[in-house]
Amino acid sequence: DTGVSQDPRHKITKRGQNVTFRCDPISEHNRLYWYRQTLGQGPEFLTYFQNEAQLEKSRLLSDRFSAERPKGSFSTLEIQRTEQGDSAMYLCASSHPPIDGYTFGSGTRLTVV
Amino acid sequence: SQQGEEDPQALSIQEGENATMNCSYKTSINNLQWYRQNSGRGLVHLILIRSNEREKHSGRLRVTLDTSKKSSSLLITASRAADTASYFCATDGLQGAQKLVFGQGTRLTINP
Repeated sequence: DTGVSQDPRHKITKRGQNVTFRCDPISEHNRLYWYRQTLGQGPEFLTYFQNEAQLEKSRLLSDRFSAERPKGSFSTLEIQRTEQGDSAMYLCASSHPPIDGYTFGSGTRLTVV
Repeated sequence: SQQGEEDPQALSIQEGENATMNCSYKTSINNLQWYRQNSGRGLVHLILIRSNEREKHSGRLRVTLDTSKKSSSLLITASRAADTASYFCATDGLQGAQKLVFGQGTRLTINP
């Protein structure tokens, strides 16, 4: 297991379409996080799972966004009816206390045209 | 709004010089972490300092934490061109390390 994998790396979609991103965390990590990052800004927290339970959701996560982590393994983030404002880098990270720090994936860059 | 605020927003120095970046935060924390991000890539964890620690070293990195001033600094000594990246501080809340709150970052450029 070489790290956190995200797929796809890049996604271009038309406004109004639905998109789904996948994250495969490090296998022994029980915590998984989704962040969104726009150009020139730091990552903003979206949601967090411990095993399969979604324990916290940001106010940024509108009802068009949904995340799942079935069986506590990989996770998916779906955005319905995409808007141009959704264009950003979507980052996934995992951790397992007492390991210090998060391990981030390379991100999925979404462009909504 | 993000908790951490880095200063400066951008820093350009010559290779071999030391680079210092500062971070301020607003609420009490369990720990503070620093991450590096190369352009268009994910973040890489550099170092974590706990709220009861004042200074920590890792290779060419030195991190200080002043909880009374709610501030931290990251020093990179003997900089290299490969250190060119954005650097972010991130904090967690006293409720537990369920999530990190990141600052806006410092863009560091090392000129050869």
